[in-house]
Amino acid sequence: DAGVTQSPTHLIKTRGQQVTLRCSPKSGHDTVSWYQQALGQGPQFIFQYYEEEERQRGNFPDRFSGHQFPNYSSELNVNALLLGDSALYLCASSFVTSGTGAETQYFGPGTRLLVL
Amino acid sequence: GQNIDQPTEMTATEGAIVQINCTYQTSGFNGLFWYQQHAGEAPTFLSYNVLDGLEEKGRFSSFLSRSKGYSYLLLKELQMKDSASYLCAVRDSNYQLIWGAGTKLIIKP
Repeated sequence: DAGVTQSPTHLIKTRGQQVTLRCSPKSGHDTVSWYQQALGQGPQFIFQYYEEEERQRGNFPDRFSGHQFPNYSSELNVNALLLGDSALYLCASSFVTSGTGAETQYFGPGTRLLVL
Repeated sequence: GQNIDQPTEMTATEGAIVQINCTYQTSGFNGLFWYQQHAGEAPTFLSYNVLDGLEEKGRFSSFLSRSKGYSYLLLKELQMKDSASYLCAVRDSNYQLIWGAGTKLIIKP
């Protein structure tokens, strides 16, 4: 089991450009969440996808959009990049055990985005 | 508003025990996570508590009191590799994960 994988690992873009980040969840996980983490801060929730639909959304503008595919993999798209979008973008996949309700959530290695 | 409070930084000695506290005020509660994050890396899942009490997992234990809005992570037999940030996160009634800023743990020989 490869765990959660993300691509690319690093990316440099210029202001105004668009970027697509990709995530493959851990085997058996059906829910994917995306987070933005600035240096020295905790992750900030962007949105969560389940059954190919956006289930929850954090306080991020519409420039941030996403998609989940039938195989549960997901993409995060950011349009009209701003300097402030420079951060580590983390994907997490999760699974809730029916009966116990115990949830496990694992993060991928992240994509470090630098906007110049 | 929703808030997760953790100490910014703690220092402990190799071989000792350290307790990292987390208090929260959120709109509802659907579980609390602890993660370890080394600099430049993604967070690593440590524990999940949804019921009151202590969950033990090797050298790491996590405690939850829902009535007090309080949790702690206990690390025993500290090793140098335990130097990292420890993040507390709470899932609220909307199933959003609210994160603390993390506690930077420094282990000294």
